[in-house]
Amino acid sequence: EAQVTQNPRYLITVTGKKLTVTCSQNMNHEYMSWYRQDPGLGLRQIYYSMNVEVTDKGDVPEGYKVSRKEKRNFPLILESPSPNQTSLYFCASSLWGTGYYEQYFGPGTRLTVT
Amino acid sequence: GQQLNQSPQSMFIQEGEDVSMNCTSSSIFNTWLWYKQDPGEGPVLLIALYKAGELTSNGRLTAQFGITRKDSFLNISASIPSDVGIYFCAGQNAGKSTFGDGTTLTVKP
Repeated sequence: EAQVTQNPRYLITVTGKKLTVTCSQNMNHEYMSWYRQDPGLGLRQIYYSMNVEVTDKGDVPEGYKVSRKEKRNFPLILESPSPNQTSLYFCASSLWGTGYYEQYFGPGTRLTVT
Repeated sequence: GQQLNQSPQSMFIQEGEDVSMNCTSSSIFNTWLWYKQDPGEGPVLLIALYKAGELTSNGRLTAQFGITRKDSFLNISASIPSDVGIYFCAGQNAGKSTFGDGTTLTVKP
């Protein structure tokens, strides 16, 4: 089954404790992206990657890091989480270079930083 | 960053009614997309628009890419209870995506 998977789905942590949220897709997509969604708001893009070893900042990159060492994986790293990073996070992937940019989203990771 | 104004913020309609929602921006986008999000899930793509002026349908859904590239609308005809959810517009330029704040649709049987 074609899908985007995220782990963990739920995470409660404390301020300053480094964490990684993994994202993996099995559709051989070149493009992957991370978003955060806060109550009443749309999705805001954190980082995106158009291929292996290529990453770019979205609208809200501060406090986050990403890496794209393999095509299928795009982990999101919070090196020193703070309470304002409490949010619902989505990973997405799509084809790239075909002119069609239809993103498939993962199920989301709900992060709470206390 | 770029911002999208999506309206209305919420809609309460009777089953069978038609629905219309739209997004406007001060910036030009090369691609407009419409997504639906159900509670506890990630957004699912409904319609993608790639050319200014393009009108595309997907079943009871119809969406248009504005001529100025700064707006798009989505219509849902003959609404049914499973249309309930949050609808998002998104504008995309290269790898950057900007989402509207969503329209929450409630359908009364």
